[in-house]
Amino acid sequence: NAGVMQNPRHLVRRRGQEARLRCSPMKGHSHVYWYRQLPEEGLKFMVYLQKENIIDESGMPKERFSAEFPKEGPSILRIQQVVRGDSAAYFCASSPPTGPYPDTQYFGPGTRLTVL
Amino acid sequence: KQEVTQIPAALSVPEGENLVLNCSFTDSAIYNLQWFRQDPGKGLTSLLLIQSSQREQTSGRLNASLDKSSGRSTLYIAASQPGDSATYLCAVPDGGYSTLTFGKGTMLLVSP
Repeated sequence: NAGVMQNPRHLVRRRGQEARLRCSPMKGHSHVYWYRQLPEEGLKFMVYLQKENIIDESGMPKERFSAEFPKEGPSILRIQQVVRGDSAAYFCASSPPTGPYPDTQYFGPGTRLTVL
Repeated sequence: KQEVTQIPAALSVPEGENLVLNCSFTDSAIYNLQWFRQDPGKGLTSLLLIQSSQREQTSGRLNASLDKSSGRSTLYIAASQPGDSATYLCAVPDGGYSTLTFGKGTMLLVSP
């Protein structure tokens, strides 16, 4: 059972370009989470999705950022008109359908975005 | 709003020492607590998950305890090895969903 896959692992963009980060959850997992790790800061939650639904986007910046998890294919985190402050490591995690309690989240290797 | 604090921020020990990493959280209404390991430039590896009904979990040389009432957890590493060098993160679910709130981590260096 392959783990959570993220691509690309490294992404370089110039200011004003768009960045697309992809995440394929573990087999059987229907919950996807995106986190961002800025330099010298801890991981911060961004968005929680299930298939075709955004459950919680309270951690997403109000502008330029969007996320989706379509019925088919990977989850996508899209950053439009990137700025230098977007440079960070972006991690995706997945978990299986949960019962009464939140389940373990399994993390991907991350995408390191550098904005020039 | 849940806040998670980890002490110390960094720790350097010689090989073979037993050590304790600390994690505190402000909202004790948690379902569980996870400890992760992060190697430089890499993703996160889940080490231990303690359910709220448990007081501790063990995996090999690692032992994690949870005291919900005081809002604290400790990660005990026995007989540390250079391969244990990494950043250790603790995280708790926040709110009604599974989203995690992380501490900033303890950066551990074990010298041969």
